[in-house]
Amino acid sequence: DQQVKQNSPSLSVQEGRISILNCDYTNSMFDYFLWYKKYPAEGPTFLISISSIKDKNEDGRFTVFLNKSAKHLSLHIVPSQPGDSAVYFCAARLGWGKLQFGAGTQVVVTP
Amino acid sequence: GAVVSQHPSRVICKSGTSVKIECRSLDFQATTMFWYRQFPKQSLMLMATSNEGSKATYEQGVEKDKFLINHASLTLSTLTVTSAHPEDSSFYICSARGQEEATNEKLFFGSGTQLSVL
Repeated sequence: DQQVKQNSPSLSVQEGRISILNCDYTNSMFDYFLWYKKYPAEGPTFLISISSIKDKNEDGRFTVFLNKSAKHLSLHIVPSQPGDSAVYFCAARLGWGKLQFGAGTQVVVTP
Repeated sequence: GAVVSQHPSRVICKSGTSVKIECRSLDFQATTMFWYRQFPKQSLMLMATSNEGSKATYEQGVEKDKFLINHASLTLSTLTVTSAHPEDSSFYICSARGQEEATNEKLFFGSGTQLSVL
């Protein structure tokens, strides 16, 4: 039962433009949402997170928006840079440290 | 940030053999480690949670006799895939959380192990 879904397997965006990654979830008991970035042959690295009691969190070029009524969150990267090309995983926390991940979105930033 | 070392990064083995994967926290004490599995084009699936000095807690559908987890110290957890078969071929990845973490959502991940069973 996939409770966290990333329906776009890939995203191509031009350098300098905005990247918008989407994530949907089904379990209203998730209390924290996180985004991880993963390069090939490396483990995921933490990017940004948001508590379920917030609707927006911003950190530099990265902003995460949470819409609890729609059970939807999104990650905005602006401006996009070539180094942002990676797989981005959305994750949701249910219980101490246990995360459920989406399938990931491959982002390619083109010059 | 904290570093988690996972070894080996890639292993190829014959069907029926056992494979051990190590996960070490290099600069912090990891009270809890998590083991995930990822099939191609799919999400990371939590297999089990291990706490130092106690038995691992397995997720539903994960065979505990097949995937042996040992967390004998605060810096080392091991996953042993026993009597591996081709369907066990997958990407295995560990993550660790330190006891000093003020918040627990920032898990630190190893680089993963690609297991191929022939």
